[in-house]
Amino acid sequence: NAGVIQTPRHKVTGKGQEATLWCEPISGHSAVFWYRQTIVQGLEFLTYFRNQAPIDDSGMPKERFSAQMPNQSHSTLKIQSTQPQDSAVYLCASSLDQLGGRGAETLYFGSGTRLTVL
Amino acid sequence: GDSVTQTEGQVALSEEDFLTIHCNYSASGYPTLFWYVQYPGEGPQLLFRASRDKEKGSSRGFEATYDKGTTSFHLRKASVQESDSAVYYCALNSGGSNYKLTFGKGTLLTVTP
Repeated sequence: NAGVIQTPRHKVTGKGQEATLWCEPISGHSAVFWYRQTIVQGLEFLTYFRNQAPIDDSGMPKERFSAQMPNQSHSTLKIQSTQPQDSAVYLCASSLDQLGGRGAETLYFGSGTRLTVL
Repeated sequence: GDSVTQTEGQVALSEEDFLTIHCNYSASGYPTLFWYVQYPGEGPQLLFRASRDKEKGSSRGFEATYDKGTTSFHLRKASVQESDSAVYYCALNSGGSNYKLTFGKGTLLTVTP
């Protein structure tokens, strides 16, 4: 079991460019989460999929961020027109979702993508 | 809403010192509490969890006891090692239809030999 795989590990973009981050959850896990990690804000929830369906994107900045999960084996987080304040480590996590979305699941995190916007 | 407060932002210890990281929470319902550890260049990984009042979670010499009365889940270890240097996060899930983990700000532990 390779764990949650995130690519690329590092991404540098210029202000205004687009960034796409990839996540491959653990096989058999039906829940996928995206979190953003910064020194100031810590770990912030962005969005959540269950069985590929978007369930909650309440943490996503509405205008430039979007996430998709086209199949069981990968999810993408896309940031359009990147800004310096988007610089952060973006973490993807998956869980077994044995409780059917009723909470208290253990999350398994990838190593993250460090996004730097110049 | 749910919240987790970790009092210490940074802790610096010598090997074999006793460690305490304080965690207090505020949540609706009866939350499940977690400690996660994050090593440089990696994502957070579960250290242990607890779901009931007075339940003790433990792993690798670390332990914490769920205390509903004081809304606390303090992390302790009797004798730290240099390899324990990492960031430690307290987190909660308030259950029910809430699937999100709410994290504290994290505590950077540095252990010197």
